[in-house]
Amino acid sequence: EAQVTQNPRYLITVTGKKLTVTCSQNMNHEYMSWYRQDPGLGLRQIYYSMNVEVTDKGDVPEGYKVSRKEKRNFPLILESPSPNQTSLYFCASKETNPYEQYFGPGTRLTVT
Amino acid sequence: SQQGEEDPQALSIQEGENATMNCSYKTSINNLQWYRQNSGRGLVHLILIRSNEREKHSGRLRVTLDTSKKSSSLLITASRAADTASYFCATVSGNTDKLIFGTGTRLQVFP
Repeated sequence: EAQVTQNPRYLITVTGKKLTVTCSQNMNHEYMSWYRQDPGLGLRQIYYSMNVEVTDKGDVPEGYKVSRKEKRNFPLILESPSPNQTSLYFCASKETNPYEQYFGPGTRLTVT
Repeated sequence: SQQGEEDPQALSIQEGENATMNCSYKTSINNLQWYRQNSGRGLVHLILIRSNEREKHSGRLRVTLDTSKKSSSLLITASRAADTASYFCATVSGNTDKLIFGTGTRLQVFP
């Protein structure tokens, strides 16, 4: 089944404790992206990757890192999480423009 | 940055009625897409309309695009309780693959 998977689905952590949210897709898509979703703000892009070893900042990259060592994986790294990073995070992938994006199920992160 | 604004923010209707959601955006686009999100879950792509298209259909969905007014509408005909979800428009501009989302319309369909 074609899908985007994320782990963990739920995470509660404390300020400053490094964490990684994994994202994997099995559709051989070149483009992958991370979004955060906050009430009243919709979805905002954090980082994206056009292909292996190619990453670029989205609209809200501060406090996040990503890597793209393999085509299927695109982990999101929070080196020192802060409470303002409490959010619902989505990973997505797609073929090159203009195709639709496929979204993962989401990771709900709470930073206390 | 947000490109799209959706109207209304929330909509409640009875099963069988039609639901219309509108999206306005700010800059020129390559295409506009509509997604559905069930509560707390990932987004599911519904339909894509290119900038040179004016109307598109997919099952009970009808999307229109007016590039002169920088607006789009999504019509769901003969709605069902299972259509209850949030609906987002998202635009793609320039030579990027970046999706810029609106803030969404929350649709509630009562049985």
